[in-house]
Amino acid sequence: DTGVSQNPRHKITKRGQNVTFRCDPISEHNRLYWYRQTLGQGPEFLTYFQNEAQLEKSRLLSDRFSAERPKGSFSTLEIQRTEQGDSAMYLCASSLVTESSYEQYFGPGTRLTVT
Amino acid sequence: GQSLEQPSEVTAVEGAIVQINCTYQTSGFYGLSWYQQHDGGAPTFLSYNALDGLEETGRFSSFLSRSDSYGYLLLQELQMKDSASYFCAVRGHTGGFKTIFGAGTRLFVKA
Repeated sequence: DTGVSQNPRHKITKRGQNVTFRCDPISEHNRLYWYRQTLGQGPEFLTYFQNEAQLEKSRLLSDRFSAERPKGSFSTLEIQRTEQGDSAMYLCASSLVTESSYEQYFGPGTRLTVT
Repeated sequence: GQSLEQPSEVTAVEGAIVQINCTYQTSGFYGLSWYQQHDGGAPTFLSYNALDGLEETGRFSSFLSRSDSYGYLLLQELQMKDSASYFCAVRGHTGGFKTIFGAGTRLFVKA
């Protein structure tokens, strides 16, 4: 399977702990995105990378959130000092941007529960 | 900033046609996308419109009017498996090229 993969699929943590999620995009895709989705809402933009460069980070994202994409391949999203409000599905997507298309391919997500 | 509005729910019967509207506000508009998401699943891409007009892909069509900041997704010959959430998403330029998603329209298809 050459789709986007995310690990872990589920994570339960206690408030105050740090968590890290991993995303492996489709290999030839140059853009990688992180979104957060809560029940009944659309994916909320967090950040995106073009190759290894982080080009934009949502203003809604506190400094407890950090993302990296070393060597322009896989990416990690870390949340420090988790809070109950961080409970959500964290989605990763990748794309190969052309002038005629902007299709993003989503991974299955990591569901985070903060207790 | 960027914002999108779409109806929260739509109900239709199997075999019918349904239209899901989306209005948006953004600066530096580049295109409007539509995604489908089944419960427990990941969003999957349906269509992308960068220019005015209708794009057809099988039973699904998407329309864009840039002057009206408006688009819609048209689903024909509805099937039970089309019951899902549908999101419009705008790619704009407000300091970047990020994509902003609407809150989604939940489609219920009844027999």
